[in-house]
Amino acid sequence: DAGVTQSPTHLIKTRGQQVTLRCSPKSGHDTVSWYQQALGQGPQFIFQYYEEEERQRGNFPDRFSGHQFPNYSSELNVNALLLGDSALYLCASARLAGDTGELFFGEGSRLTVL
Amino acid sequence: AQKVTQAQTEISVVEKEDVTLDCVYETRDTTYYLFWYKQPPSGELVFLIRRNSFDEQNEISGRYSWNFQKSTSSFNFTITASQVVDSAVYFCALSGRRGTYKYIFGTGTRLKVLA
Repeated sequence: DAGVTQSPTHLIKTRGQQVTLRCSPKSGHDTVSWYQQALGQGPQFIFQYYEEEERQRGNFPDRFSGHQFPNYSSELNVNALLLGDSALYLCASARLAGDTGELFFGEGSRLTVL
Repeated sequence: AQKVTQAQTEISVVEKEDVTLDCVYETRDTTYYLFWYKQPPSGELVFLIRRNSFDEQNEISGRYSWNFQKSTSSFNFTITASQVVDSAVYFCALSGRRGTYKYIFGTGTRLKVLA
């Protein structure tokens, strides 16, 4: 049973560019959340998707946007990249119905902005 | 506002020693959930435990144990007889109502277990 998978694992962009990160949730899961983890810090909540809609959002600017597809997979888009966007981006999934409160995390996409 | 504080940035112990990782939280919610996650070098966060605010019973799972005290807003994690494989960054996290996945994470404690 595959867990949460993310792609790409590493990528390098320059300031001002745009990036798309992808996530496939664990089998049977229907909600996806995205987190940003800067070096040496704890993960920070970006947003959560459920039923193809953004349900909750953290304190991130509109440059950060997302999408959830009918198969529950998700994308995170970041526009006009800044140096400060360099971080590990973690995707997490769960099954909302019968929620056990456990979020399953992927290994992340490490973004470097030069 | 919700906040999680992990004051210990890094801890080093020798194998077989016991070690306790501290977590202090702040919230105005009466119902909330507390978590511990382990992050090995691969980057993936591994779930260890969830506790809700109404259950202060301590829990033991093998070499791991957790002490939840609402009176001091603490949720500490103890590893007994530590092993090299326990080396990782450990995060404490807090969330509100069930079904919300907006977790507030602490800054983590890096545990190094030396052989």
